[in-house]
Amino acid sequence: SYELTQPPSVSVSPGQTARITCSGDALPKQYGYWYQKKPGQAPLLIIYKDSERPSGIPERFSGSSSGATVTLTISGVQAEDEADYYCQSADSSDTFWVFGGGTKLTVL
Amino acid sequence: QVQLVQSGAEVRKPGASVSVSCKASGYTFTDYFMHWVRQAPGQGLEWMGIINPSNGNTTYAQKFQGRLTMTGDTSTSTVSMELSSLRSDDTAAYYCARALADWGQGTLVTVSS
Repeated sequence: SYELTQPPSVSVSPGQTARITCSGDALPKQYGYWYQKKPGQAPLLIIYKDSERPSGIPERFSGSSSGATVTLTISGVQAEDEADYYCQSADSSDTFWVFGGGTKLTVL
Repeated sequence: QVQLVQSGAEVRKPGASVSVSCKASGYTFTDYFMHWVRQAPGQGLEWMGIINPSNGNTTYAQKFQGRLTMTGDTSTSTVSMELSSLRSDDTAAYYCARALADWGQGTLVTVSS
């Protein structure tokens, strides 16, 4: 079955830039999506179609794509950004969706 | 505004079935696919499947094929998810999500003898 691979954890100090990668074989032809997940809350879509930001999402969140990797960048990280981040995409047949394993962002 | 309101928490014994509903409002129900996603305690998000409310067509993740059924009711703008042959590792928060952009509040399903 199709898999998306993320690093388990990323740590940054407040004000620094955090980058979280997600790799998958179908990403060159499928869009990537990013979600923020905090305990007890529903997931929040923060990036769609690789680099688009929904209304209400702060500009410090951005996304990019290169080959088989999509990247979430959080510029000027704030304490409130500490959360789990998940990428998501579809397989090459556009039939099944899958989440990456998630990355825990720690703000030091 | 878009709202997805899910049914309340459930407790089931192993081997039983559970049904979770998701009532949609604030948009045209048949215009958007609905996904179901779950998160077990201490685990990541897991995509379960998708339903097209306009015609009832479904696609289930291979892991759940044979014990997952998704249905839609256009008269009440409600989608439902039924999972059968429950095991302890099905204990999780279950979410509906409109086009993966708008999410329900989640429903905790606990499977315990």
